[in-house]
Amino acid sequence: EADIYQTPRYLVIGTGKKITLECSQTMGHDKMYWYQQDPGMELHLIHYSYGVNSTEKGDLSSESTVSRIRTEHFPLTLESARPSHTSQYLCASRGAGELFFGEGSRLTVL
Amino acid sequence: KQEVTQIPAALSVPEGENLVLNCSFTDSAIYNLQWFRQDPGKGLTSLLLIQSSQREQTSGRLNASLDKSSGRSTLYIAASQPGDSATYLCAVRGDTGANSKLTFGKGITLSVRP
Repeated sequence: EADIYQTPRYLVIGTGKKITLECSQTMGHDKMYWYQQDPGMELHLIHYSYGVNSTEKGDLSSESTVSRIRTEHFPLTLESARPSHTSQYLCASRGAGELFFGEGSRLTVL
Repeated sequence: KQEVTQIPAALSVPEGENLVLNCSFTDSAIYNLQWFRQDPGKGLTSLLLIQSSQREQTSGRLNASLDKSSGRSTLYIAASQPGDSATYLCAVRGDTGANSKLTFGKGITLSVRP
């Protein structure tokens, strides 16, 4: 069983609000990732980190930002949410090989 | 650029049937291949990881095979059950190192009818 946790699982907020999606893992993995997935669609990598103080943008351009101050924690922030940000956000981590995912955070911006 | 294809996009089978899900990739220079399961509205659950030097991996009723030279992997599910209904994704990691890129297929949505 993978030990990677995302909160909140569901979030409904109004346009213009600042939101932070939390992701924590207890496996000591250096590599962490954020993917975005719309219903029935493929995953798109939006951010990744290979260790503390290391963050990179992924394949899909995103207005969100991330930080990696601690190994176990990789939060994603949207400074001003818009309806176009409505999606599911999946966090993942990896040690040497296998990739593990959290349950996801489903964001709805009204 | 690596491309991962999973065909068909959807599959419906009766309970008890043995089935094979296919995954093909264009660049055979891979580090590993991983199969995932995703239930609606949930994250991805890792099923099997095959390193590039391996030919197959087994876990319970699941068996995944890898043929690098032909750019193919299959996920075999024995004696399918309604609880196996989900979307199955394969993902390929390039062999440029441990930090190389992971490319996902679009998945196959499986429905097992009681």
